[in-house]
Amino acid sequence: QKEVEQDPGPLSVPEGAIVSLNCTYSNSAFQYFMWYRQYSRKGPELLMYTYSSGNKEDGRFTAQVDKSSKYISLFIRDSQPSDSATYLCAMEQGAQKLVFGQGTRLTINP
Amino acid sequence: KAGVTQTPRYLIKTRGQQVTLSCSPISGHRSVSWYQQTPGQGLQFLFEYFSETQRNKGNFPGRFSGRQFSNSRSEMNVSTLELGDSALYLCASSFGDRGTEAFFGQGTRLTVV
Repeated sequence: QKEVEQDPGPLSVPEGAIVSLNCTYSNSAFQYFMWYRQYSRKGPELLMYTYSSGNKEDGRFTAQVDKSSKYISLFIRDSQPSDSATYLCAMEQGAQKLVFGQGTRLTINP
Repeated sequence: KAGVTQTPRYLIKTRGQQVTLSCSPISGHRSVSWYQQTPGQGLQFLFEYFSETQRNKGNFPGRFSGRQFSNSRSEMNVSTLELGDSALYLCASSFGDRGTEAFFGQGTRLTVV
């Protein structure tokens, strides 16, 4: 069983919809939780990160961490076609070592 | 500010050969990490270097090795290539110790035939 599980999708939604992306994990020692966005033929770029449990909001993006359930989420409001990409959750395991989920391929249809 | 630069962008090698990939971090960044990305396994950590020392290593065979130079540039080497080594190899650099501060390059797409 992988340390971080993420549904690879694909997920296809209409423009303007609220998107919910999720990951579960097994290692209770994880403290930093990250979401990356990766466009085709590009490297991942950090969207946001959360320390421990709680919520964090940045524009149309909201990250939630529930450590009691070992469950993290990323919500995208008012989704745009430019949000179409693969979204990866990641957790920090020791300095500079990130453990990634499989990535969810998201398509926003105009 | 220039980003993380990886060269070459694309590479085709034959099974059994060896390959060297290069990564130039963002100026001032001293930590360089390497990851392998495949459709089946996703992104997997290979190793991390800080000030020319390997601090962390993932679960990859000894055919995968790396090094970092005094100017923080890093190389990774794969010897005796196998078909399963075909992947996107990503390098990330950071100034501090947190993985949250890492910036990724565009990767080197390696195809082994």
